[in-house]
Amino acid sequence: EAQVTQNPRYLITVTGKKLTVTCSQNMNHEYMSWYRQDPGLGLRQIYYSMNVEVTDKGDVPEGYKVSRKEKRNFPLILESPSPNQTSLYFCASSSGSPHNEQFFGPGTRLTVL
Amino acid sequence: GENVEQHPSTLSVQEGDSAVIKCTYSDSASNYFPWYKQELGKRPQLIIDIRSNVGEKKDQRIAVTLNKTAKHFSLHITETQPEDSAVYFCAASRIPTFGRGTSLIVHP
Repeated sequence: EAQVTQNPRYLITVTGKKLTVTCSQNMNHEYMSWYRQDPGLGLRQIYYSMNVEVTDKGDVPEGYKVSRKEKRNFPLILESPSPNQTSLYFCASSSGSPHNEQFFGPGTRLTVL
Repeated sequence: GENVEQHPSTLSVQEGDSAVIKCTYSDSASNYFPWYKQELGKRPQLIIDIRSNVGEKKDQRIAVTLNKTAKHFSLHITETQPEDSAVYFCAASRIPTFGRGTSLIVHP
């Protein structure tokens, strides 16, 4: 089944404790992206990747890191999480370019205490 | 960067009525305009999209119109049903920038 998976789905952590949210897609998509969703603010892009070893900042990259060492994986790293990073996070992928349908993962609900 | 404004933020209609959601964008180079639907507790899913060389696109009860000169595009849902209740997001630009979303409520 073609899909985008994220892990974990839910995470409660404390300020400053490094964490990684994994994202994997099995559709051989070139484009992958991370978004955060907050009430009233919609979907804001954190980072995106056009292909392996190519990453770029989105609109809200501060406090986040990403890597794209393999085509299928695009992990999101929070080196020192803070409470303002409490949010719902979505990974997405699309074929060829961002000008095609984006397939979203199920979301990761992160709470930073 | 791109700025996408979406209105209204909330839209309440009676079953069977039509619903219209509007978006404006700032980057004249934008050429791809998708619409996503997000049901409560679920992930966003594409419902319709339009490219800059087309002015209108329909798929059953939903349609999207694009005015590149005015830099705005709209989602039209006819004969609304309770299952249309969800948050709808528009997006625009070369690297998609999303609007803040419209919560559509369809009352039976």
